[in-house]
Amino acid sequence: ILNVEQSPQSLHVQEGDSTNFTCSFPSSNFYALHWYRWETAKSPEALFVMTLNGDEKKKGRISATLNTKEGYSYLYIKGSQPEDSATYLCAFKNYGGSQGNLIFGKGTKLSVKP
Amino acid sequence: DTGVSQDPRHKITKRGQNVTFRCDPISEHNRLYWYRQTLGQGPEFLTYFQNEAQLEKSRLLSDRFSAERPKGSFSTLEIQRTEQGDSAMYLCASSESGNIYNEQFFGPGTRLTVL
Repeated sequence: ILNVEQSPQSLHVQEGDSTNFTCSFPSSNFYALHWYRWETAKSPEALFVMTLNGDEKKKGRISATLNTKEGYSYLYIKGSQPEDSATYLCAFKNYGGSQGNLIFGKGTKLSVKP
Repeated sequence: DTGVSQDPRHKITKRGQNVTFRCDPISEHNRLYWYRQTLGQGPEFLTYFQNEAQLEKSRLLSDRFSAERPKGSFSTLEIQRTEQGDSAMYLCASSESGNIYNEQFFGPGTRLTVL
């Protein structure tokens, strides 16, 4: 059974703080790692697709890194704003596995206080 | 809006009733997926279609669940004889088959509450 773990489960920060959270996944047969942001009452929004060991991606104040050899990815938010409050999900896809599905972690719920 | 849409957004039903949800994918996407998210868990895969063909079903999709995509466009997910354990957020996603990393675009979900 493939397991994707995210930590912490929840995080409360003040506006302006920088923060980061972790996604751990099986290091064998890696194919891709997806990050999504899910705000309450909205659709999960794709942030990054990461495919190569050492990948670093950036979108505004949000960035992510990938280590496929040890099986983890970090998501960083610089200078958190209240609008960053959301659940951040990572999802793993392996080689040779299902063509269809992504395997999701439970998410990290971020709350940013003004 | 050209994103994935789902209807209804919320459904409250009594145990034993049947419910049906609808998903309209992004129009040029030929793959469509259903996931379920229960409290405290991440989304879990239920099934996926390529055009009208249902190519994969997870073990979570019991006999009471059936999904269809009759014309390769919208899809429906029906749950018969609902149980309290079916209470969850049901998410639909779509993608292009040529997307080699399987980037999926999600709808806002249908939240089902079974009383």
